[in-house]
This record gives sequence, structure tokens and C-alpha cells, in this order.
Amino acid sequence: AQTVTQSQPEMSVQEAETVTLSCTYDTSESDYYLFWYKQPPSRQMILVIRQEAYKQQNATENRFSVNFQKAAKSFSLKISDSQLGDAAMYFCAYRSDFGNEKLTFGTGTRLTIIP
Amino acid sequence: DARVTQTPRHKVTEMGQEVTMRCQPILGHNTVFWYRQTMMQGLELLAYFRNRAPLDDSGMPKDRFSAEMPDATLATLKIQPSEPRDSAVYFCASGLLRTGTDTQYFGPGTRLTVL
Repeated sequence: AQTVTQSQPEMSVQEAETVTLSCTYDTSESDYYLFWYKQPPSRQMILVIRQEAYKQQNATENRFSVNFQKAAKSFSLKISDSQLGDAAMYFCAYRSDFGNEKLTFGTGTRLTIIP
Repeated sequence: DARVTQTPRHKVTEMGQEVTMRCQPILGHNTVFWYRQTMMQGLELLAYFRNRAPLDDSGMPKDRFSAEMPDATLATLKIQPSEPRDSAVYFCASGLLRTGTDTQYFGPGTRLTVL
């Protein structure tokens, strides 16, 4: 079974600075998808960014980018120019490209933005 | 802007009562998921459907939980009888999977409290 580990329960960053959230995963599969979801206090789960394992190029979405290291099974999220609205829980998630299509989530990292 | 909708947003009930949660997936999406979020277990899959057919319900306590899709625009999750340990946030998510896209879009969740 796949597992996802987020080793940083909490992180904080000064507004306008850059922060990196860590995520590692364990799988024996070669094809899969990785996601970062954001959950603000409203509880809504919002997709931040996604990465297909077969793509070597790291995904980017505006101020959000990932560092995908397939051999190391690492998938970190970098947030540039942090804004107050970025404050939330961030969840890393794995989805197999075979069989069950459920998302397997990490335990989350709570990000605080310091004004 | 297409969204997954869930009703009710909040539900407080007493132990032993029946609870029904409803989800309207994004129009055209072929796959619907039910997830549960608790402090202890995090986010975990309860069940999911493709084209209204159940594919996996191994995450559900079968004796009290049931999930159905009466039609393509409605998914339901029922708990009967409810217990205090069922208190959690229940998310519905939908996606257009196995068609080259793979992203799951989440609804706002139903916060259930069983007294």
C-alpha cells in the first residue's frame, strides 16, 4: 500500500518570503499522480498543483511550484511571495494510475503567514 | 464556475438517528468519491463510484453506512444508526477519471456531530 508522509506538522513564513513544504511517499508503482491540496479554515479542499510521475518537468502554477524527485520519492511544494491568503493546511496526496483511484493523503502541514 | 455541492453543510444529531448526506457532482464528471476527515485518521476514502456503479466501498463500515448514486446528478451517504465516533467532516469529490484527466474536485464538506 502507498503511504504519504509530511514530516512538518507546522510551518511559518514572513509575508512576501518563500517557503517549502516537504512530502515523501512510498510506492512500488512507476506511474502515478501527485497533488497538493490547500484547506483553509473554511474546510474547502482546494487543488493547488498536480504532477504526473511520467513528466520530468516540475509543475508550476503562478506562485506555486513543486520539486519532484522521482528516484527519491519526494514531492515538495514551494510557495513564493507568500500572501496572507496562503495560510491554511496543506495536504500532499498520491493517486495510483492503476487500480484504485482514491487519493492517499499525508497528515498535513499547517502554514502560518506572519505579517 | 462548476462546483461540487454538498448538503447539509452542518448536521447535529443524536446517537441512533439516521443521517443522510447528499452530493451533487460537477456535471459531466464520471467518478464520485466519499472521503471522511477526522483528527485521528486524517482523510480517508469511504467509497467511490464510476458511472454510478460502486467500485470500492471497503472503507465503509458496512453494518451502518451505505452509499448510492440514484442518478448521475446525486450521490448519497447514509448512516443508520449513527454513533458518536461518526462525528467528522464528510467530503464528496468528483472527477473525470480514466479520460486523460485525473483531478478530483472537492465539495465544501458536511460537518457531522453525533451526540
